[in-house]
Amino acid sequence: GESVGLHLPTLSVQEGDNSIINCAYSNSASDYFIWYKQESGKGPQFIIDIRSNMDKRQGQRVTVLLNKTVKHLSLQIAATQPGDSAVYFCAENNAGNMLTFGGGTRLMVKP
Amino acid sequence: GAVVSQHPSWVICKSGTSVKIECRSLDFQATTMFWYRQFPKQSLMLMATSNEGSKATYEQGVEKDKFLINHASLTLSTLTVTSAHPEDSSFYICSARWISGNTIYFGEGSWLTVV
Repeated sequence: GESVGLHLPTLSVQEGDNSIINCAYSNSASDYFIWYKQESGKGPQFIIDIRSNMDKRQGQRVTVLLNKTVKHLSLQIAATQPGDSAVYFCAENNAGNMLTFGGGTRLMVKP
Repeated sequence: GAVVSQHPSWVICKSGTSVKIECRSLDFQATTMFWYRQFPKQSLMLMATSNEGSKATYEQGVEKDKFLINHASLTLSTLTVTSAHPEDSSFYICSARWISGNTIYFGEGSWLTVV
């Protein structure tokens, strides 16, 4: 079936650098995308979302970019901090109102 | 922000017993709640979609008689793992969709260990 996946399972960055986490999706009918952060042993935490009629959305230190042509989603974290270390999941909301998750990327921030 | 509460956070039970996990939306109404299961170092796997006042929709491969879901109100859904076995040990997470929008909020998860 169609799914959401991630290119990089682990991303290691230096504190203060910018991080970019990528996600590919295959369901062209998906109209809403969400990035979640999950710390060890906890539930996913909403970070930022974007609708399919947009190609960019900014939050506090985070930016989500959506490229519908190549079905690609990315999360950019500016000035990465140790507290950003976690697993990041992209998720797509399809026409059936279900949320399908990608495999996750572990972000490791080196001090 | 919106809060979804799960209880219990941790539970250890004996093999063969049943365990109930509650998922509550604390400051919003949720017509739809979702139950996920997550094994270590893996992504969340959707088990079922729970709609208030109707039967849950289970994903392929999920036994509806083993994982009983009840969504009796707009703020509460429960997952009961019946006749639990060690292979049911996992991290169970619920989420709730705000009645007025698309945003989905997650609970903190419930660790189930079956011994």
